[in-house]
Amino acid sequence: EAGVTQFPSHSVIEKGQTVTLRCDPISGHDNLYWYRRVMGKEIKFLLHFVKESKQDESGMPNNRFLAERTGGTYSTLKVQPAELEDSGVYFCASSQTWEAGRLGLAGIWDTQYFGPGTRLTVL
Amino acid sequence: DAKTTQPNSMESNEEEPVHLPCNHSTISGTDYIHWYRQLPSQGPEYVIHGLTSNVNNRMASLAIAEDRKSSTLILHRATLRDAAVYYCILRPPFSGNTGKLIFGQGTTLQVKP
Repeated sequence: EAGVTQFPSHSVIEKGQTVTLRCDPISGHDNLYWYRRVMGKEIKFLLHFVKESKQDESGMPNNRFLAERTGGTYSTLKVQPAELEDSGVYFCASSQTWEAGRLGLAGIWDTQYFGPGTRLTVL
Repeated sequence: DAKTTQPNSMESNEEEPVHLPCNHSTISGTDYIHWYRQLPSQGPEYVIHGLTSNVNNRMASLAIAEDRKSSTLILHRATLRDAAVYYCILRPPFSGNTGKLIFGQGTTLQVKP
């Protein structure tokens, strides 16, 4: 089974340009997450899709970031215009749908499978 | 969000056991304890999780204190491939809220040959 893939693996752009990152989740995974690690900081959550809907976008830093997941399959994260502080590694993760109700377990959650990340450098 | 505290770094010799501690004194009664690790140049990967009882899987063991205010990830025989940053993460039970993972700084484990 193919894992989570991300494209490109590296991207170097100049301040003010636009960059689009792509994530292909594991087939059948309804949950898709974006995280990022900027230099010297911890990995931070950006947003969470359930199929094509945004479940939680509380981590998106500002309106220069736009995430989409049309059709509930792959997702894109666009940064426009890019700033120097956007440099870092962007991770995508996917997981299967929670089925707490069906399984009758209050503590169900998901195991997230991460991609290798996209290293973004803004000059 | 409940907070965890881990040592910044630890060292181990190859083929020896490693005990990675995590303090979570503000854990709620329903929070699960998850561990992820990040190998160099890779994304994080799931290691193990537990609620109250100790847990074992093919990768590691998780020992949870009786009061649940701390836990220890145990690698029974460290290999060079286990050199990574290990994250201890608390997760509330699913209730329709987001399943975001909240990463701290983690523990950087160095394994010496």
